[in-house]
Amino acid sequence: GAVVSQHPSRVICKSGTSVKIECRSLDFQATTMFWYRQFPKQSLMLMATSNEGSKATYEQGVEKDKFLINHASLTLSTLTVTSAHPEDSSFYICSAVRAGGGQPQHFGDGTRLSIL
Amino acid sequence: GENVEQHPSTLSVQEGDSAVIKCTYSDSASNYFPWYKQELGKRPQLIIDIRSNVGEKKDQRIAVTLNKTAKHFSLHITETQPEDSAVYFCAAGDSYDKVIFGPGTSLSVIP
Repeated sequence: GAVVSQHPSRVICKSGTSVKIECRSLDFQATTMFWYRQFPKQSLMLMATSNEGSKATYEQGVEKDKFLINHASLTLSTLTVTSAHPEDSSFYICSAVRAGGGQPQHFGDGTRLSIL
Repeated sequence: GENVEQHPSTLSVQEGDSAVIKCTYSDSASNYFPWYKQELGKRPQLIIDIRSNVGEKKDQRIAVTLNKTAKHFSLHITETQPEDSAVYFCAAGDSYDKVIFGPGTSLSVIP
């Protein structure tokens, strides 16, 4: 199989807090991981493409200083929401693609972030 | 960049009937078209995908057709069952890079 683990599954914190979300590929190596945000009853919006050992590529309109992405190894990418505010509350989902294999991407279970 | 449209936004069918969801895309360079099923609060699950070198693909009750000239592709679900009720997303992009998701279709199968 191709298992992607995302942690934590749920976060509730105060405004101004920075929150780190981890995305791990458990049984395969992933040179590329993707981060999505999904608001209620809406689609998955691609935020950025995370490539191992290089800087992430952000989609238009996504603040790279607000959403810090680090892909330090072939099995781990992290998304840090810095100084989170209520409008950052959303469902964040990561996905990973097998190194050298291309699509399909395999999704984590998502992180529900609630900023009070 | 790629832009994906999807219709209808909601769809209700009687159990046993067929359901069809249609998507269009804008980037003629796109070569990979997956379909995902998402239940409330859960991860998207890949149900079928198609690459640009084929026009049709079938997996049991699910089929996808692709018309590259017109830049549209469709999902067909036959003999629908209540457990098919979910939100379905199409996507378009590159088989070795990112895909962009459509806005989704909420499918309800009425027993």
